[in-house]
Amino acid sequence: DVKVTQSSRYLVKRTGEKVFLECVQDMDHENMFWYRQDPGLGLRLIYFSYDVKMKEKGDIPEGYSVSREKKERFSLILESASTNQTSMYLCASSPRPSGGGYNEQFFGPGTRLTVL
Amino acid sequence: KNQVEQSPQSLIILEGKNCTLQCNYTVSPFSNLRWYKQDTGRGPVSLTIMTFSENTKSNGRYTATLDADTKQSSLHITASQLSDSASYICVVTGGTNAGKSTFGDGTTLTVKP
Repeated sequence: DVKVTQSSRYLVKRTGEKVFLECVQDMDHENMFWYRQDPGLGLRLIYFSYDVKMKEKGDIPEGYSVSREKKERFSLILESASTNQTSMYLCASSPRPSGGGYNEQFFGPGTRLTVL
Repeated sequence: KNQVEQSPQSLIILEGKNCTLQCNYTVSPFSNLRWYKQDTGRGPVSLTIMTFSENTKSNGRYTATLDADTKQSSLHITASQLSDSASYICVVTGGTNAGKSTFGDGTTLTVKP
């Protein structure tokens, strides 16, 4: 079974703190994603990466950065946390599709971040 | 703009009853459509995935249909159980290499005894 793990289930930080959210996948997937999920807004893509050291902005990258130094690990960084970044953060990974294949995303359990 | 709209927003049914959730999309070009189940406080888990050439796919009591011409999909749940209470999310992916996807807001299903 594919396993995507996230470093914390719950996290409480103060405004202005630097926050690191870690995600690790064990299936040698090329693609990794960070989403945030808020009531009424669904999942919104923050950043994604399709290879080591590669990253692409998603729909809402402002206030976030990412790091992918190793294939299995994708980190989300909040340089200076703000209260509007209180949310559920979900990491996902997927294999790179070949031909017309599927590119199903496998999700981690999520990190509920509260910024006070 | 690529969009995925789901209806209803929420639904309450009695245990043992059937229900159907709807998903309409405008994503283009279309690559595949997935339905996910998300239990409260957990990450989404895939139920079904279909390409444009597939018009139905089943996973136990869950059956998804896809009409690529009208850009509509439905998820039918048969003989509902209390454990089916969750949010069901429709996800449509365009033909990008990185698999960037557009998510619906989800339908919250509550199954009552």
